[in-house]
Amino acid sequence: DAGVIQSPRHEVTEMGQEVTLRCKPISGHNSLFWYRQTMMRGLELLIYFNNNVPIDDSGMPEDRFSAKMPNASFSTLKIQPSEPRDSAVYFCASGLAGAGELFFGEGSRLTVL
Amino acid sequence: AQRVTQPEKLLSVFKGAPVELKCNYSYSGSPELFWYVQYSRQRLQLLLRHISRESIKGFTADLNKGETSFHLKKPFAQEEDSAMYYCALRELGDSNYQLIWGAGTKLIIKP
Repeated sequence: DAGVIQSPRHEVTEMGQEVTLRCKPISGHNSLFWYRQTMMRGLELLIYFNNNVPIDDSGMPEDRFSAKMPNASFSTLKIQPSEPRDSAVYFCASGLAGAGELFFGEGSRLTVL
Repeated sequence: AQRVTQPEKLLSVFKGAPVELKCNYSYSGSPELFWYVQYSRQRLQLLLRHISRESIKGFTADLNKGETSFHLKKPFAQEEDSAMYYCALRELGDSNYQLIWGAGTKLIIKP
């Protein structure tokens, strides 16, 4: 298994543009997480899904952020419109509920100018 | 409040010296503690968890419920240990998998 796959690895965009980040979890995992990492705030949980259903989205900063998981093998995190303060590394992680270990993707580094 | 505290943002030690990365927690239930590591340009990955009681890459961590700590230790640091280390906690046996994360400690091993 190639592990959790995220795309794009790097994205540079201008303020106001829509950004879509993608994630393919490890096959068989039933939990998926989106995290944001910044120097100032460390690792923040944005949202997590269990069996494709959003369980907790309280970490999503505001209405500009949305996440979907249409099936067990794909999830997206969308920012519309993007702002410079959204610049961060966004990680997707997957796991088996109750198993205790999270497997992370390599992250998507977003820069909003 | 339930939280994980890593008091040091940055820790710098010389190669061969002992290393201790501190992690304290505040939690009302039965915690399961983890250490995750992120090497430069690599993905975040599990280093060890307290229920395994393993030594991974020379690192150990003991859960001290009296002091509510889970410090990560290594007797002799190596340059390849330079990385970002995160302490995390969840409810033991929690099927929903909510992790509470510390802010992370950047470990730099000087040659």
